[in-house]
This record gives sequence, C-alpha cells and structure tokens, in this order.
Amino acid sequence: SAVISQKPSRDICQRGTSLTIQCQVDSQVTMMFWYRQQPGQSLTLIATANQGSEATYESGFVIDKFPISRPNLTFSTLTVSNMSPEDSSIYLCSARTGGIETQYFGPGTRLLVL
Amino acid sequence: SQQGEEDPQALSIQEGENATMNCSYKTSINNLQWYRQNSGRGLVHLILIRSNEREKHSGRLRVTLDTSKKSSSLLITASRAADTASYFCATGSSNTGKLIFGQGTTLQVKP
Repeated sequence: SAVISQKPSRDICQRGTSLTIQCQVDSQVTMMFWYRQQPGQSLTLIATANQGSEATYESGFVIDKFPISRPNLTFSTLTVSNMSPEDSSIYLCSARTGGIETQYFGPGTRLLVL
Repeated sequence: SQQGEEDPQALSIQEGENATMNCSYKTSINNLQWYRQNSGRGLVHLILIRSNEREKHSGRLRVTLDTSKKSSSLLITASRAADTASYFCATGSSNTGKLIFGQGTTLQVKP
C-alpha cells in the first residue's frame, strides 16, 4: 500500500487568491490523481497528474484554473487559482502503483473561500 | 460525471444488525472498489472486486458484483458504532487508472 500525505490539511482563503496543495507519497507510484469533493457531494476527478508532462484534465476542469505539477514519482501539487466561494471543497490526492489496481487516497485538504 | 447511483442514500441501523448498500453503474468496467469516508476526511479503501469476480469477502465485509445488471452490493455484517461513515463505490479502468464515484450511502449505526 501507499501512504499519502497532503499539506495543508485545511485553509481559509480570500476570493481572488490562489492556494497550492502538496501531495507526497511514501513510495514511487505510477499514477497520481486529484479529486474534488464539494460539500455533501461525492468525489469528482479533476485530472491525472503526469510525471514530467502536462496533466490530463477531465471535462469541466482547465489548466488555467487548476494547474498541476508532478516533478517526480512521489510528489504532486495542485493549485486552485483565482478562487471564488464556489471552490470551497475538499481536495484529495490519490495514487496507484503499477500493476496494482487499488487506489489510495490522502487525507484531503479542506478549503474554505470567503 | 458520476458513473451511477448508490442506494439507499442514507441508512440508519442498530448495532449488531447488517447493513446492505447497493451501487449501480453505466459503462463497462475493469474493477469496482468500495471506500469509506469518516466525516469528510480522507477515503479508506475497503475492497476491490474485478469484473471477472462475483463475490469477495474481507472480514465483516462482503461484496458482490453482477456485471450483467451493472450493479454491486456491499454487506457489512454485525455492524458497530464505529462503522458510522459514508460509503462510496467507484468504478475503475485498469488502463487509465481513473475512478468514477457513485453518490455514496451515509450509514449511521446506533449503539
């Protein structure tokens, strides 16, 4: 299994600002993903974080709003840009190791935008 | 977009009783995974069942998969107050690794 940590665990931000969330995995993984969970809702995939190249975004999510980096096999960042109150959500990082279909999740970052 | 629906949306039972949650999905899958989430925290992986499997057990958990009906069920036997949480099913693709989540079932187990 993989142990995943995220920083920060929570934050309160002003509208118009940006926040970068960090995701660290304790072992090398082949795939990393970012999900959003809006209040009282299920999880929605934002993008697949590709190592050394641009992330692959799902419909409804764009790079200008959610730039993602993945410089190596154990680390990724998600930036929520130009935030509005609608961005208030839990953002979760997940990872999957090669050949293993199980996907492990970090503890999430709870974001409140005022 | 969400893959499918979970049923029921909310379930309240007494400690010791069994809890059954159902999940339906729309497209072909490689696997289906069940997760638990306590109070908006991170997700804990419970069990994975592959498309060529029909039933799987893990402790007090029993998962079934019916690919002809595009549905799965999670049974928690002899429930405990600590089982109180939200439970999500997620369908997975072996190639892309993406998971598409259902809406979730909120389970309350009363002591």
